[in-house]
Amino acid sequence: GAGVSQSPSNKVTEKGKDVELRCDPISGHTALYWYRQSLGQGLEFLIYFQGNSAPDKSGLPSDRFSAERTGGSVSTLTIQRTQQEDSAVYLCASSLSGAGGGQPQHFGDGTRLSIL
Amino acid sequence: AQSVTQPDIHITVSEGASLELRCNYSYGATPYLFWYVQSPGQGLQLLLKYFSGDTLVQGIKGFEAEFKRSQSSFNLRKPSVHWSDAAEYFCAVVPWEDYKLSFGAGTTVTVRA
Repeated sequence: GAGVSQSPSNKVTEKGKDVELRCDPISGHTALYWYRQSLGQGLEFLIYFQGNSAPDKSGLPSDRFSAERTGGSVSTLTIQRTQQEDSAVYLCASSLSGAGGGQPQHFGDGTRLSIL
Repeated sequence: AQSVTQPDIHITVSEGASLELRCNYSYGATPYLFWYVQSPGQGLQLLLKYFSGDTLVQGIKGFEAEFKRSQSSFNLRKPSVHWSDAAEYFCAVVPWEDYKLSFGAGTTVTVRA
């Protein structure tokens, strides 16, 4: 079946521009996560959505980062006024449910973001 | 502090030889434990998971992992590696009643002919 789909796969932009990254989770998965993978910091949690509950935004590094999930499915991660330190691979994952039960998270191939 | 440690940054192994990747965690209670693999330019693929019960778990691609509570370890093994196993491997944990994956720093595996 279809896995987690992310677009674009690569994005190059100039410092100061805004970018939008998209994630389409596995059908039927109610939980959706964003992680960032960078050379200096490894893999870091950014944000979590579960059903209609308020998202956990505790991992977002600054107020330039925001995310939404429309209709309980597709999610968009937006970075405003990009900085060079935002260069990283942004990974999206989904799971059948969230907290408790240890549902495995299934990852997309990521968006490689490069800020010039 | 809670942490996940993968002591080996890079391992080189000959094709056909056995492989063991180490993972140690530091949490108050045993968390859910996972191993993921990442090939260049790809996302993370789940190899196996441990929740409870049998301490030896089997995964995909011929991998297995052993949970040892006394050592707070969850080491990944494969009896005979193939060139296609060259990749980066991540140990990850989720505490009970939580959802955030915490990852180790990863181990890069190189397979030589």
